[in-house]
Amino acid sequence: DGGITQSPKYLFRKEGQNVTLSCEQNLNHDAMYWYRQDPGQGLRLIYYSQIVNDFQKGDIAEGYSVSREKKESFPLTVTSAQKNPTAFYLCASSNSGGLGDTQYFGPGTRLTVL
Amino acid sequence: GQNIDQPTEMTATEGAIVQINCTYQTSGFNGLFWYQQHAGEAPTFLSYNVLDGLEEKGRFSSFLSRSKGYSYLLLKELQMKDSASYLCAVSYNTDKLIFGTGTRLQVFP
Repeated sequence: DGGITQSPKYLFRKEGQNVTLSCEQNLNHDAMYWYRQDPGQGLRLIYYSQIVNDFQKGDIAEGYSVSREKKESFPLTVTSAQKNPTAFYLCASSNSGGLGDTQYFGPGTRLTVL
Repeated sequence: GQNIDQPTEMTATEGAIVQINCTYQTSGFNGLFWYQQHAGEAPTFLSYNVLDGLEEKGRFSSFLSRSKGYSYLLLKELQMKDSASYLCAVSYNTDKLIFGTGTRLQVFP
């Protein structure tokens, strides 16, 4: 089955701890994305990558970091510098990341920082 | 900015038709996506419009007017399972999508 997986579905962390969210895809897509979703707000782009070993900041990159060492994987680290980390995090991928390219989403990880 | 505007909430009755509108700024517009998102789940792709006109796909249709900066998603023969949020997202001449806040649709029996 082709698709995008994110793990875990629910994650709890204490304030001040870094946490890494996993995102894997077997769609052979070049581009991958991380979004954050908060109640009453649209999806906001954190980071994206259009090719292995390269990534760009999105609109709200502060307090987050990513890596793209493999085509299939795009993990997101939420650092202690992120002021309001509690949110629903969505990973997506698309074929090439070009204009009009459809993005397909993983099931999401709901992070709660206590 | 590149604001995407859509109503926050809508209600409708099973079997009815509902139209969800989306307006956007036209400068640099490339294309428009509609996604469906059930609570706590991933958004799923519904449609993509780049040219003016209506695209029909089963019970769902999507319309675009590039000159007016306007799109709508039309849902026919509503079913209870259509209760979800519907996200409008615009591709501008960058490699990023801009999402609206979503319209939460509740379908009642």
